[in-house]
Amino acid sequence: GDSVTQMEGPVTLSEEAFLTINCTYTATGYPSLFWYVQYPGEGLQLLLKATKADDKGSNKGFEATYRKETTSFHLEKGSVQVSDSAVYFCALRGGSYIPTFGRGTSLIVHP
Amino acid sequence: DVKVTQSSRYLVKRTGEKVFLECVQDMDHENMFWYRQDPGLGLRLIYFSYDVKMKEKGDIPEGYSVSREKKERFSLILESASTNQTSMYLCASSSGASSGANVLTFGAGSRLTVL
Repeated sequence: GDSVTQMEGPVTLSEEAFLTINCTYTATGYPSLFWYVQYPGEGLQLLLKATKADDKGSNKGFEATYRKETTSFHLEKGSVQVSDSAVYFCALRGGSYIPTFGRGTSLIVHP
Repeated sequence: DVKVTQSSRYLVKRTGEKVFLECVQDMDHENMFWYRQDPGLGLRLIYFSYDVKMKEKGDIPEGYSVSREKKERFSLILESASTNQTSMYLCASSSGASSGANVLTFGAGSRLTVL
């Protein structure tokens, strides 16, 4: 079945540092890929998505590129802020309407 | 804005009580989901529904039931709450299955503590 593996956290960075959160997936066919973010005390919300190979999703300075050859969708940001502290979930959606989520990666950004 | 509203943000119940968690969405979405979120385990799907009165078990349905009498409302029921059901419960909705890029919209969550 489908699965998503993302790096364990917490990831701890200083403000303005470069961020990478790795995500790899296993799926049949051509899934759509997503990053969701969960700020403290809130539900998840969509951060960005990509629907086909080589697509780049971007939002709020975050980017991720759909790499079919490496089955990856790594999340990057050039300069993180304290307000980016949250839990980040990688997810995919294949032929079913039920998405598959990774376990989440906690990001802590210090001033 | 699409909204998914969970009626209770925080609940404290006693072991053996019947618990109702309510979720309402206002965007005419066909699909609705209930997840629980626990540290280190991520999101685990309890039940989902793809139409009124339709329901399907997710990965961890034991100890839970659901009800979807109207399209906009999806209720999670704990018939007899137990301490191992202490968790954060997240409701989500999405439009129909025709597009693989359909995004889930989540509610703010209901944190349940069972004493």
